[in-house]
Amino acid sequence: DADVTQTPRNRITKTGKRIMLECSQTKGHDRMYWYRQDPGLGLQLIYYSFDVKDINKGEISDGYSVSRQAQAKFSLSLESAIPNQTALYFCATSRSGSQPQHFGDGTRLSIL
Amino acid sequence: SQQGEEDPQALSIQEGENATMNCSYKTSINNLQWYRQNSGRGLVHLILIRSNEREKHSGRLRVTLDTSKKSSSLLITASRAADTASYFCATDGLGANSKLTFGKGITLSVRP
Repeated sequence: DADVTQTPRNRITKTGKRIMLECSQTKGHDRMYWYRQDPGLGLQLIYYSFDVKDINKGEISDGYSVSRQAQAKFSLSLESAIPNQTALYFCATSRSGSQPQHFGDGTRLSIL
Repeated sequence: SQQGEEDPQALSIQEGENATMNCSYKTSINNLQWYRQNSGRGLVHLILIRSNEREKHSGRLRVTLDTSKKSSSLLITASRAADTASYFCATDGLGANSKLTFGKGITLSVRP
């Protein structure tokens, strides 16, 4: 089984809909991250969490919210989806800020 | 804003040749990491080099770090078709709450 699991893997939805992307991990890491990847732009950090009670905004948090339900679970929500949020979304974990990050296989999100 | 910038943006080589990829960054770092991303998959950590290290090896990978020039290089020796992927450098800034900042990536194609 994968250490970092993202669901769903693919999602097509319409403008204005609320969407939740889920991430769960079995690595026992305290730190979890949500990134967005667009072609040619690399990875942009949306939100990150150092532990269940510590959630922080990243570079591009507008239009997104997160919930850290447990050490192992970190979900990303788009309250009212818009087409320019079409992208590949990744969840990652790490033991500490300086340690390597472990990524899920991503959610490909298309908003029509 | 992104700290690391990789060069070249794309690289195409023949199987068996060496591939050299470069990364430059702007501010002082704690460490620098290289990741690989296969098409449609999450990023996979390859190697981490600390700011007080100059060179590190892992199998066919060799990473160098020059903090005076704020640059790093990743060398893949005797490349294989399976090395075809995108490669990203990520810098870990100074401070207890530092986060990784990823570059835009290099697309490597290894022709059989």
